[in-house]
Amino acid sequence: ETGVTQSPTHLIKTRGQQVTLRCSSQSGHNTVSWYQQALGQGPQFIFQYYREEENGRGNFPPRFSGLQFPNYSSELNVNALELDDSALYLCASSFGVAGFGDTQYFGPGTRLTVL
Amino acid sequence: GQQVMQIPQYQHVQEGEDFTTYCNSSTTLSNIQWYKQRPGGHPVFLIQLVKSGEVKKQKRLTFQFGEAKKNSSLHITATQTTDVGTYFCAGYSSASKIIFGSGTRLSIRP
Repeated sequence: ETGVTQSPTHLIKTRGQQVTLRCSSQSGHNTVSWYQQALGQGPQFIFQYYREEENGRGNFPPRFSGLQFPNYSSELNVNALELDDSALYLCASSFGVAGFGDTQYFGPGTRLTVL
Repeated sequence: GQQVMQIPQYQHVQEGEDFTTYCNSSTTLSNIQWYKQRPGGHPVFLIQLVKSGEVKKQKRLTFQFGEAKKNSSLHITATQTTDVGTYFCAGYSSASKIIFGSGTRLSIRP
């Protein structure tokens, strides 16, 4: 196991609602990245946080937002949920200076279903 | 925008046969990582390649990074049932940060 935990495991929401997903990074890691993985697809990068600051963002609308806390845990918030937001949401932690290229350790994911 | 294509999408092999998946980027990458995701699981880091033409081996797995740093491959020799899963490449560039390929799903006949 990687030591990265996510909650909740599963979640069902209706269109238009808001959701908050949580991630606890591996001990000693200061960088957290969030990904959306649709069924049968590769993970798509949403954004990354390094030392509580957003450090890069993928092609996701502003209704996808996040936070990183002083203990380096993180939240992903999604407002105005749409049916296409149904997916597995993964967080990954790493240690190192801002930017990629560091080994990422993924959590088990949160399966979000939007009805 | 930058794309990372991965082929084949599926591969079904007899146990003991070899397996290869290929990853091609539309732009030059700074580095590339490979991950394995078991059914119902999460991606697990396998390896990172940084240098042009780099080759790395992990037991039966051989990873290559192309000279132009735009393509990469993962080769598994003599597959075993434990190799079942989806293999993803993830390319890094300063412009687009990180892009995962769509993955190659490997299934194995015992």
